[in-house]
Amino acid sequence: AQSVAQPEDQVNVAEGNPLTVKCTYSVSGNPYLFWYVQYPNRGLQFLLKYITGDNLVKGSYGFEAEFNKSQTSFHLKKPSALVSDSALYFCAVRDNDAGNTPLVFGKGTRLSVIA
Amino acid sequence: DTGVSQNPRHKITKRGQNVTFRCDPISEHNRLYWYRQTLGQGPEFLTYFQNEAQLEKSRLLSDRFSAERPKGSFSTLEIQRTEQGDSAMYLCASSLGRSDTQYFGPGTRLTVL
Repeated sequence: AQSVAQPEDQVNVAEGNPLTVKCTYSVSGNPYLFWYVQYPNRGLQFLLKYITGDNLVKGSYGFEAEFNKSQTSFHLKKPSALVSDSALYFCAVRDNDAGNTPLVFGKGTRLSVIA
Repeated sequence: DTGVSQNPRHKITKRGQNVTFRCDPISEHNRLYWYRQTLGQGPEFLTYFQNEAQLEKSRLLSDRFSAERPKGSFSTLEIQRTEQGDSAMYLCASSLGRSDTQYFGPGTRLTVL
């Protein structure tokens, strides 16, 4: 069975500092990995994904994520945080070798960027 | 706006009533998904369609829930005899194919009194 763990419920960072939001996953086969962001009273907005290829994936709004197969991790990073980055971030995984499996989401990490 | 749209955005109902939500996917996306999100949790998969065919249903989708996508375009999710535990955000997403990114709508927030 697929699963995603986001070990931090809340991450606080000062504006201008680098940020990291952690994600680890478990799948039997090859993972498809995604990051989404959710602003208050809004749906999920796609940030980036890893399918195959380069382990460093670049996405929207200056975010990037690094796929680490040995550590089964897909941490979200940004070199310099903005106050407007404050939101709820979700990591999701799908087992690409397991047929029509749905996306499985983590519980989310609330990012707070302080001016 | 060519994104996924959902209506209504908010629904307040009394326990025991039936409710229906609508989702309009991105044009030409043949896959459509329904998720449920409760406070403090990530979205949980309910069901999905490829064109008009409903291909998978989660065990979360009790007999009181039914979803349709009659012409392979918009979809409806109906909840019969609502219970307070049905209170949640119901999210719809669409994608072009199995391996493609799912794009989400703004959600319908259901409150059952």
